[in-house]
Amino acid sequence: GAVVSQHPSRVICKSGTSVKIECRSLDFQATTMFWYRQFPKQSLMLMATSNEGSKATYEQGVEKDKFLINHASLTLSTLTVTSAHPEDSSFYICSARGEQSPDYEQYFGPGTRLTVT
Amino acid sequence: GQNIDQPTEMTATEGAIVQINCTYQTSGFNGLFWYQQHAGEAPTFLSYNVLDGLEEKGRFSSFLSRSKGYSYLLLKELQMKDSASYLCAVSNSNYQLIWGAGTKLIIKP
Repeated sequence: GAVVSQHPSRVICKSGTSVKIECRSLDFQATTMFWYRQFPKQSLMLMATSNEGSKATYEQGVEKDKFLINHASLTLSTLTVTSAHPEDSSFYICSARGEQSPDYEQYFGPGTRLTVT
Repeated sequence: GQNIDQPTEMTATEGAIVQINCTYQTSGFNGLFWYQQHAGEAPTFLSYNVLDGLEEKGRFSSFLSRSKGYSYLLLKELQMKDSASYLCAVSNSNYQLIWGAGTKLIIKP
């Protein structure tokens, strides 16, 4: 149980375009989802926390107009990178927590590798 | 501020034992996690400690001392497949995970 999927696993886009990444909880209802970014040889950096049906809470330094997060249902959250630039190239990982999950638990998706050319 | 410190890289021999240390300073504490991450993949859960002491799970053990802000991950009978990065993360008072930079473990035959 507690499986989280991400789509796509890899995406290459041109500078200036927008890219949408989906995060789905497959066998549980995700009341909270987290979006992380990881640059090579660095740790995970929390970008934002989203609760179903409400606006995401962004971490300091993360542009909410550039990284649009939607958590419209209990099984799906999306991250849209708008007007992507090469410096947005990174590994984006989502995680999810369900209503029945302990507060400390997070289940991770497999990640999405974004390359902006 | 909040920070997690762990060594950048460690090298060990196949079949041996290695201990990866982690020290932390966070706003509140709701448990400490160890994750394994292979290159290009998402982290996979290894262990969770919220009380002081040692938790053993097969070849892996994790220790926590809350008074010292210290944990270690002990890997026994090392195998080549254990070559990966090991991430220490602390759940703070808001149940947010604060991550260390990870320790790259290199296993040599």
